[in-house]
Amino acid sequence: AQKVTQAQTEISVVEKEDVTLDCVYETRDTTYYLFWYKQPPSGELVFLIRRNSFDEQNEISGRYSWNFQKSTSSFNFTITASQVVDSAVYFCALSAMNYGGATNKLIFGTGTLLAVQP
Amino acid sequence: GAVVSQHPSRVICKSGTSVKIECRSLDFQATTMFWYRQFPKQSLMLMATSNEGSKATYEQGVEKDKFLINHASLTLSTLTVTSAHPEDSSFYICSARVPPGAKYEQYFGPGTRLTVT
Repeated sequence: AQKVTQAQTEISVVEKEDVTLDCVYETRDTTYYLFWYKQPPSGELVFLIRRNSFDEQNEISGRYSWNFQKSTSSFNFTITASQVVDSAVYFCALSAMNYGGATNKLIFGTGTLLAVQP
Repeated sequence: GAVVSQHPSRVICKSGTSVKIECRSLDFQATTMFWYRQFPKQSLMLMATSNEGSKATYEQGVEKDKFLINHASLTLSTLTVTSAHPEDSSFYICSARVPPGAKYEQYFGPGTRLTVT
């Protein structure tokens, strides 16, 4: 069975603080994808990153960085120097990898509400 | 990038009526679309996988006779909530899968907020 756990339901930080959102996953698949999405109050999901299971390199994109560790089944997301505009719900998601590399249905975690105070 | 639209963005209907939600891929062909449901302050739960030209595959616990899915073309999938009740009030989001090799592979629509009174 596939499962994604985001143990932090809500996090509140002050602007310019760094914050890490945790994600732990479970899957029996040997090949899979991991995702992070941002959902602002408008509701639309904003894609942030996709990693495949055979690429454990950490990634940095501006103030965002991701730490993927298969040994602990974790895919954590760090925002450096947080800003008020980062306030949103963040979802971690897991997908099996189909033949040809296509994604399958996404299994979402319960989300973490991040509130960045000015 | 690929764009997915949903219509309507918001709908209010009376209990017992049916509501149709459209999901369109605007600039690509999607053989597979997914329908998700999100209750307030909760996660997204997959309802069904919609494949063009064939019957949808429903997740366990989702009533196929209540949530009718039709994927008649490569750019359009529809979700019809039949005989809606207040407990069906939710945020419905679709995603469309592009062919392998595309950077994102699944693009999400903006969602449809359904309120049943």
